[in-house]
Amino acid sequence: GAVVSQHPSRVICKSGTSVKIECRSLDFQATTMFWYRQFPKQSLMLMATSNEGSKATYEQGVEKDKFLINHASLTLSTLTVTSAHPEDSSFYICSARDDGRSTDTQYFGPGTRLTVL
Amino acid sequence: DAKTTQPNSMESNEEEPVHLPCNHSTISGTDYIHWYRQLPSQGPEYVIHGLTSNVNNRMASLAIAEDRKSSTLILHRATLRDAAVYYCISSYGKLTFGQGTILTVHP
Repeated sequence: GAVVSQHPSRVICKSGTSVKIECRSLDFQATTMFWYRQFPKQSLMLMATSNEGSKATYEQGVEKDKFLINHASLTLSTLTVTSAHPEDSSFYICSARDDGRSTDTQYFGPGTRLTVL
Repeated sequence: DAKTTQPNSMESNEEEPVHLPCNHSTISGTDYIHWYRQLPSQGPEYVIHGLTSNVNNRMASLAIAEDRKSSTLILHRATLRDAAVYYCISSYGKLTFGQGTILTVHP
């Protein structure tokens, strides 16, 4: 149980284009999901908290107009990197909190490798 | 989120127990203690979590100090597949990842 998927697993795009990454909780409902970014040899950095039916909460220094988050259902959150540039190349990872559990344990997706040329 | 301190790296031999320490001296009363591990180019994998009492699951055991200012993740018999970066996080709500402990398992 507690499986989270991400799609695509890797994407290569040209500078200036937008890329959408999907995060799905497959066997549980998740009112709250999270988006992280991880650069090579570094730890995960939280970008934003995604809440179903409401606006996402972004961490300090994360541009909300550049990283658009939509959480339209209890099993799906999307992250759109708008006007991507080479410095946005990174490993993007989502996580989801299981609504059916009383603890705040998060379950992570496998990640999406974004390369911007 | 409370900050945690972990050794940068540890080594173990296959089939031996491994004790991964973590200090979280500023933990608050509502913070859980979470352990995740991550392999290269993969998302973190949940290992175990606890609040006050020691916890066991099929992957590991978590020993929590009585004052909750430290904890130890115990892998009872390390395998090569346990080689990963192990993250200890004390939080309620958002997870703040530190640098973790790189565990190397020798055959």
